[in-house]
Amino acid sequence: SQTIHQWPATLVQPVGSPLSLECTVEGTSNPNLYWYRQAAGRGLQLLFYSIGIGQISSEVPQNLSASRPQDRQFILSSKKLLLSDSGFYLCAWSSFRTDHGYTFGSGTRLTVV
Amino acid sequence: AQSVTQPDIHITVSEGASLELRCNYSYGATPYLFWYVQSPGQGLQLLLKYFSGDTLVQGIKGFEAEFKRSQSSFNLRKPSVHWSDAAEYFCAVANQAGTALIFGKGTTLSVSS
Repeated sequence: SQTIHQWPATLVQPVGSPLSLECTVEGTSNPNLYWYRQAAGRGLQLLFYSIGIGQISSEVPQNLSASRPQDRQFILSSKKLLLSDSGFYLCAWSSFRTDHGYTFGSGTRLTVV
Repeated sequence: AQSVTQPDIHITVSEGASLELRCNYSYGATPYLFWYVQSPGQGLQLLLKYFSGDTLVQGIKGFEAEFKRSQSSFNLRKPSVHWSDAAEYFCAVANQAGTALIFGKGTTLSVSS
């Protein structure tokens, strides 16, 4: 069966520090991968999605970036965090088409101080 | 562009009472629709999905949803709410390219005893 792992679960980082959040999927190949951010009262904001290795689409311009160095690995990064980067970050995967919905990871709570 | 509206930010229901969470979508063609549930600090879990066919869809945990094209709605229902149903609920529609899901801002459900 397919599983998705996301870590760390919680992270407290100072302003201006770098960020690296990792997400991996097991039990499937060539998944679509997604990073969402959830801020209180604002629902889920799609940040990046990837349909293959090295293929990244950005939905929202910001100081975050994403990379997909391997088929089932998706990394969210920042060189310098801002206070506004605080939030709950969710990774998800789907099959080629999203018709069957996503499977989400358990999320990372990021607090920038 | 596709969009999802969940008109109710917060709903409180007595335990054992019926529940209906509203969802309206904007989409030009036949939509692929989803309902997810999120417990505090957790990722999202798929409750049910609609692609085509029978407009009444059954999901997990006793939930169902009805697709009404004329009203552009996909409301979630449960005949008898349990305290464990307290959570945040998200409605989503797949984008036209089938590459991502667009989420509503969510409805927080509280259950009173």
